[in-house]
Amino acid sequence: DSGVTQTPKHLITATGQRVTLRCSPRSGDLSVYWYQQSLDQGLQFLIQYYNGEERAKGNILERFSAQQFPDLHSELNLSSLELGDSALYFCASSAKREAGETQYFGPGTRLLVL
Amino acid sequence: AQSVTQPDIHITVSEGASLELRCNYSYGATPYLFWYVQSPGQGLQLLLKYFSGDTLVQGIKGFEAEFKRSQSSFNLRKPSVHWSDAAEYFCAVGPALYGNKLVFGAGTILRVKS
Repeated sequence: DSGVTQTPKHLITATGQRVTLRCSPRSGDLSVYWYQQSLDQGLQFLIQYYNGEERAKGNILERFSAQQFPDLHSELNLSSLELGDSALYFCASSAKREAGETQYFGPGTRLLVL
Repeated sequence: AQSVTQPDIHITVSEGASLELRCNYSYGATPYLFWYVQSPGQGLQLLLKYFSGDTLVQGIKGFEAEFKRSQSSFNLRKPSVHWSDAAEYFCAVGPALYGNKLVFGAGTILRVKS
């Protein structure tokens, strides 16, 4: 158990819908990262937040957005869902934001868009 | 741009045999290198990481990896594989120029035959 929690574990929804994925980092960790794992794209970095501020952006679609709240939990919002958004979404956390810090991954949220 | 290549999609080894999983990276500076393992339905667990210093790194579960700058490689090894090692293994490099994102390889699925 990494100490990172993600809810829900599974999510089934329809195209065009909007969903919110939630992540609670390890106690004391200030950075939160979101990754998408799909069969065709592999593991891709989406976005990083550090202490409430966006720190780095990766291959995140405009239909997706994220935020980190004052209590450091984070939410990833996915809207206008398409079939291709079906994937496993991981949250990870690290203590600070220094380069090369170990990231601890949650169990993931499996999203299925029908 | 950073990239990671794991040339073997699948590897099958007999229980008790030795294992080597290959990883090659492309990175403009001194990389931070990681190996993660993902068991079915699970999140990613860090096996080991390399930042600097001794090029032979010891990790959990009896794994080790060797950093070879001249070959841009960071291969993962284990002298004697156990059935419980069957999983998918990911090599990753970081950080980005801005932020602490990880760039992952495509993964290698390890099968262990008894």
